[in-house]
Amino acid sequence: QQQVKQSPQSLIVQKGGISIINCAYENTAFDYFPWYQQFPGKGPALLIAIRPDVSEKKEGRFTISFNKSAKQFSLHIMDSQPGDSATYFCAASYSSASKIIFGSGTRLSIRP
Amino acid sequence: GAGVSQSPSNKVTEKGKDVELRCDPISGHTALYWYRQSLGQGLEFLIYFQGNSAPDKSGLPSDRFSAERTGGSVSTLTIQRTQQEDSAVYLCASSSPGQGYYGYTFGSGTRLTVV
Repeated sequence: QQQVKQSPQSLIVQKGGISIINCAYENTAFDYFPWYQQFPGKGPALLIAIRPDVSEKKEGRFTISFNKSAKQFSLHIMDSQPGDSATYFCAASYSSASKIIFGSGTRLSIRP
Repeated sequence: GAGVSQSPSNKVTEKGKDVELRCDPISGHTALYWYRQSLGQGLEFLIYFQGNSAPDKSGLPSDRFSAERTGGSVSTLTIQRTQQEDSAVYLCASSSPGQGYYGYTFGSGTRLTVV
């Protein structure tokens, strides 16, 4: 099954709070897990990514946590800002193929 | 070019008409992908081109959909006899050789509305 399940569908967070988006996968052949950020009227853009041999990766206010045994991974946005308001997609791929499988997306709104 | 360019940015067409959507990938990117994003939905894979290899057409939803890539660069997605359920944003992406699983660069998409 090449499916990536993402939740929640939408999320409202107060400015300065922590935004958390969760994803789960089934195919253990996946070996790369990127997150994409999409602003209205634009295409998705690569935000941050992790490999399954790492449990956590942090870039600025963005952190991916990865639980290989549970086949789950999540995006945490610390000190969320109104400029973070966007749709976020988790995704999975494997190096033997060039196709990325995307989750259904989370619409994040940061309230000032 | 500096990024992936798609045209037109918006297209309104009547049900039953054919439409062509164009994608200009980043120069030097050998892989090109088409995805569809319906309202409130995720990104649905349509087709993938890699160099001179046969394209992966496994995501095309019906035989009304086709795509070609000329000269290893520009790609055209054609939808024949459009239906209302074809209304969506069609996104094109490209990647450098061997880096497709790592990350794509997307264009801004073509918003197709079938009335």
